[in-house]
Order: sequence, then C-alpha cells, then structure tokens
Amino acid sequence: DAKTTQPPSMDCAEGRAANLPCNHSTISGNEYVYWYRQIHSQGPQYIIHGLKNNETNEMASLIITEDRKSSTLILPHATLRDTAVYYCIVPRRDDKIIFGKGTRLHILP
Amino acid sequence: GAGVSQTPSNKVTEKGKYVELRCDPISGHTALYWYRQSLGQGPEFLIYFQGTGAADDSGLPNDRFFAVRPEGSVSTLKIQRTERGDSAVYLCASSLRAGVYNEQFFGPGTRLTVL
Repeated sequence: DAKTTQPPSMDCAEGRAANLPCNHSTISGNEYVYWYRQIHSQGPQYIIHGLKNNETNEMASLIITEDRKSSTLILPHATLRDTAVYYCIVPRRDDKIIFGKGTRLHILP
Repeated sequence: GAGVSQTPSNKVTEKGKYVELRCDPISGHTALYWYRQSLGQGPEFLIYFQGTGAADDSGLPNDRFFAVRPEGSVSTLKIQRTERGDSAVYLCASSLRAGVYNEQFFGPGTRLTVL
C-alpha cells in the first residue's frame, strides 16, 4: 500500500470539529483514500473514501488536496462516541486493506 | 439485519493446544477476510476468501495457521500448536464482493489468550 503518515494521537473538544490529517505523498493517480475507525473493543468501521474530489456522508467529510498528497478527515461536531482510532488507508492493490497504527482521537468533555 | 458474528468472543488456551475460531459473515457476502490485531497495533491481514477459495493467504504467519470456508459462508480459522505469541484479537470481516472498493464489515473479534 502507498505509505500513509498520521499523527499517533489527537485531542478535540466535544462539539467542535475534529480534523484528522493524513499524508500519502506516494499515492498514485488511480488510488483511493479510505478511512476506517475502530472504537475500543469493536472491529473497524468504514467511514468514507475518495479519489480526488471532496466527499461527504452522514459520518464525515473528506478533503483531499489538489496534488492528492494529503487529506483530512473532518468530523463536524465531535461527540464522546467519536473517541476511537482512525485509520487512513491507501490500498495499492484492489484486494485487501493494510492498516497502519492510525490516529487515536480523544474527545474531551 | 445481522452483522458479522464471531465465536467464541474469548478463548483461553494452553501453549501447544489446537484452537478453532469461527466467523459468520453477513448473508450474501461473497468475500471474507481474517485479520489479527495485537495490542496497540492496527489489524494485520491474514487471509481472504472469495467464495470458497482462499484468494490470498499471504498474511498467514506460518503453516500452523489455516483457514477454510467450505460452503462459501461460514469460515473457520484454525491454529495448531498454539504459541504465546499467537495471543491477539482475531477479526473477521465480510464484503459483498472482494476488492477494497467494497466496504468491509467487521465482527467484534475473538480474543485469544495462549498461556
């Protein structure tokens, strides 16, 4: 997989927007950016994915820079239930996901 | 509808024993994935099935690990001669079809402890 770099941890106040960065400078033109999250003691959960246009769904927004070398996952109004590890993934092959260590997001009350 | 289920939720065994971990995917999902997750790490890919056949088993750490999916639905991960280093959470996921462009739905995992 294209190497991704994420900060190991971040804090965000409840009710504020959580902005999680991801660097993927070696991404190829046809590779997507995927985000999953894993709440404690649960399996990972798909959040969103994108190629080059910004994407939004009921969970989050994904902003991809024009050169596609980095992206930001935005949780617009973070709640305590958003405390989790967030994984940014750029699969190189169309068959499996390789997880890194992700960003541990703490939502502070 | 029912999600991916895994049994048992916890398994404690002794070094050298044989264990089987079961995964029930979402009905109709043709692809099934196994991952292993150690404390503080992201899930590590082990193997995936498309239908009954193992499409990619490159993540299995050695020949003590084996997985089957005989009818293209339920899968069993088998570990022979368990070692303390096998202790981890084993996660199963399924998707409608193989390929990362199909959302994977994960089960809650089986926590394996080898004493």
